[in-house]
Amino acid sequence: DSGVTQTPKHLITATGQRVTLRCSPRSGDLSVYWYQQSLDQGLQFLIQYYNGEERAKGNILERFSAQQFPDLHSELNLSSLELGDSALYFCASSGEFQHSPLHFGNGTRLTVT
Amino acid sequence: AQSVTQLDSHVSVSEGTPVLLRCNYSSSYSPSLFWYVQHPNKGLQLLLKYTSAATLVKGINGFEAEFKKSETSFHLTKPSAHMSDAAEYFCVVSDGLNTGNQFYFGTGTSLTVIP
Repeated sequence: DSGVTQTPKHLITATGQRVTLRCSPRSGDLSVYWYQQSLDQGLQFLIQYYNGEERAKGNILERFSAQQFPDLHSELNLSSLELGDSALYFCASSGEFQHSPLHFGNGTRLTVT
Repeated sequence: AQSVTQLDSHVSVSEGTPVLLRCNYSSSYSPSLFWYVQHPNKGLQLLLKYTSAATLVKGINGFEAEFKKSETSFHLTKPSAHMSDAAEYFCVVSDGLNTGNQFYFGTGTSLTVIP
């Protein structure tokens, strides 16, 4: 058990809809990272937050947004969903020390129909 | 700038034979290096990490990796492959900054184990 909790595990929705994915990091970890994994694109880094502030941005679409709350949990909002957004979305957290590894949640599988 | 190259996208071995998954990295800092494993429809699990202590790092499930600075490599090995080792493996480098580390992933190596 990595200590990172993601909800929900599965999500099925229709095109054009909006969904919110939730992540609770490991206790004490200040950084949260979001990744998208699909068969055609592989593992793609979306965005990173550190102690409530956006730290780095990757290949995140404008239709997607995220935030990290004061209690350090994070949410990833996906709007105007398209079929191509169907993927596994992973959250990971990391400690603040130099050599802290990433700890991954089990992911949310999003299916857009 | 940091980057990782996994030299093989697919590796196939017979059960009981050695495993070698190759990774080269580029880093401007003293790097932290990691190997992760992902079984189908599962999250990524940390196999092992290098943090400048010992150059030969032992991980879970019998895997180990050797950090070679002169070759900028961090290859993953296992003496004897097991069927349960079939998975996707990712080599990762971290920039080592302690204000929210950033991580750079290789494109992954898919390991097939033939019975």
